[in-house]
Amino acid sequence: DTAVSQTPKYLVTQMGNDKSIKCEQNLGHDTMYWYKQDSKKFLKIMFSYNNKELIINETVPNRFSPKSPDKAHLNLHINSLELGDSAVYFCASSQEWRTEVPFFGPGTRLTVL
Amino acid sequence: DQQVKQNSPSLSVQEGRISILNCDYTNSMFDYFLWYKKYPAEGPTFLISISSIKDKNEDGRFTVFLNKSAKHLSLHIVPSQPGDSAVYFCAASLLTGNQFYFGTGTSLTVIP
Repeated sequence: DTAVSQTPKYLVTQMGNDKSIKCEQNLGHDTMYWYKQDSKKFLKIMFSYNNKELIINETVPNRFSPKSPDKAHLNLHINSLELGDSAVYFCASSQEWRTEVPFFGPGTRLTVL
Repeated sequence: DQQVKQNSPSLSVQEGRISILNCDYTNSMFDYFLWYKKYPAEGPTFLISISSIKDKNEDGRFTVFLNKSAKHLSLHIVPSQPGDSAVYFCAASLLTGNQFYFGTGTSLTVIP
């Protein structure tokens, strides 16, 4: 009965590879997010989608591309992975795109070697 | 440009005592604040919120205090329990905004 789920939980890969992280929410929320928590524990928003439409696109390299096939899913694809991409990536969702409490998934720890 | 700061990376408290976690923000326009709790290998879990029309909000053992003039909020946990040991994040936003800005967290250890 997980509200916000992400796969995989751990991802170890080589520099230069392309990888995807999947996210699904069963809360019926309209808005979904991707956050990145870096090595300094700084949790920062990357993207926000409302009803499959991009709302927030923070300064993120264009190697990162979110895709929302429907409002229950928001996947994150990363091309040409770099060492600095190593972080924990959290998916979240909220009722609507105006500030509502985000509910977070368990996170995906990405390690780039 | 960190708009929300938690200057204490860690805090240890005896079981049964009060835990006070602090958070400062720089943007005086922020008017909605959240606290999250995070266990290892899990996502942050929402704890309690406060809007700027209040200076205090309580939920069981958790109370959040907001001092708008000082741009400071704090989370009080009374009494502290070993299960409260976790990392606590504060977050701030504009009520009319579309994103939250998070602090870097404070790791609380409650000693039995």
